[in-house]
Amino acid sequence: SAVISQKPSRDICQRGTSLTIQCQVDSQVTMMFWYRQQPGQSLTLIATANQGSEATYESGFVIDKFPISRPNLTFSTLTVSNMSPEDSSIYLCSVEDTTTEAFFGQGTRLTVV
Amino acid sequence: GQNIDQPTEMTATEGAIVQINCTYQTSGFNGLFWYQQHAGEAPTFLSYNVLDGLEEKGRFSSFLSRSKGYSYLLLKELQMKDSASYLCAARGDSTLTFGKGTMLLVSP
Repeated sequence: SAVISQKPSRDICQRGTSLTIQCQVDSQVTMMFWYRQQPGQSLTLIATANQGSEATYESGFVIDKFPISRPNLTFSTLTVSNMSPEDSSIYLCSVEDTTTEAFFGQGTRLTVV
Repeated sequence: GQNIDQPTEMTATEGAIVQINCTYQTSGFNGLFWYQQHAGEAPTFLSYNVLDGLEEKGRFSSFLSRSKGYSYLLLKELQMKDSASYLCAARGDSTLTFGKGTMLLVSP
């Protein structure tokens, strides 16, 4: 299993600003993902964070809005840029191990005012 | 496209058995997962099915029928702490697609 540390756990931000969320894993993992979970909704995949190359974004998500870094096999960041109230959500980092099970960080609860 | 359907909410009493159903449509299929998510917390893994049949793990069991695109999660001897959202997720060719979750409320 993998232990994931995600921070901050929550934040309240002004619209127009940016927030960077960090995800640290206790072991090297190939696959790291970033999800968004809006109130009462399912987890929606934002992008796959690729080590050494640009992230792979899902439909509806773009790099300018959600830039992602993956400098090594244990760490990734997601930035929510130029925030608006519609970006208020829980953001989750996830990794998968060789058994295909997904592990999640504690999540970042973001409120944009 | 990918689509996961599961009931929005269910209620049950302590000590009872409850079955949460899930139907899925994916491009390709590489497994069906169930996760438990308590309010304000991250999802935690419960079960994984890739072959047809029943997988039992303590009080929780999960069933899969690939031909029907159908799975269920069975919870026995319900406890108050089982009150949570239960997420069905299917892996297609590459990524996981999650359902909206079934909110289970266990009452005394």
